[in-house]
Amino acid sequence: AQSVTQLDSHVSVSEGTPVLLRCNYSSSYSPSLFWYVQHPNKGLQLLLKYTSAATLVKGINGFEAEFKKSETSFHLTKPSAHMSDAAEYFCVVSENSGYSTLTFGKGTMLLVSP
Amino acid sequence: DTGVSQDPRHKITKRGQNVTFRCDPISEHNRLYWYRQTLGQGPEFLTYFQNEAQLEKSRLLSNRFSAERPKGSFSTLEIQRTEQGDSAMYLCASSSGTGTYSPLHFGNGTRLTVT
Repeated sequence: AQSVTQLDSHVSVSEGTPVLLRCNYSSSYSPSLFWYVQHPNKGLQLLLKYTSAATLVKGINGFEAEFKKSETSFHLTKPSAHMSDAAEYFCVVSENSGYSTLTFGKGTMLLVSP
Repeated sequence: DTGVSQDPRHKITKRGQNVTFRCDPISEHNRLYWYRQTLGQGPEFLTYFQNEAQLEKSRLLSNRFSAERPKGSFSTLEIQRTEQGDSAMYLCASSSGTGTYSPLHFGNGTRLTVT
């Protein structure tokens, strides 16, 4: 069975400061891991994905995440927050079954203040 | 690419009524998924289609729920005898099903409120 734990329900940062959203996963198999972002009244958008290639993954809008198997973590980072980054972020795991069923974490709301 | 389209955006219904939602996936995508998202939670998998075949159903999908994808294009999700606990955002996603991982493209969802 697979599961995801997002360690913070809310993270508040100031514009221009670094962002760290934490995620730990559990999987019986070699997983694929993703971060999705959900802006208010918008659909979920894929930020980045890890699928057993490079452990440091770069995504859209300056976000990146590092897969650490020893720590079972896949934390999302960004060097400098922008106001437009305010949204809810979901860490997601898939056990690479044939149809890629995704298991979502509960989400982390990122708040960015001026 | 017009994206995944869901209709309606909002639905308010009284307990005990039946409701039906529609999802139009990206046209060349053969895989279609339904998820449910309640307040404060991440989306939870409900069911999956490959073309017209429903290949997987979550235990969350009680016998009051039924999903179809009759011609392998659009899909409908019906909830019979709605209960207040069915209030949620219902999300549809599609993917092309090619390669090691095909990203899921999500629609904006249908928000159901059962009064």
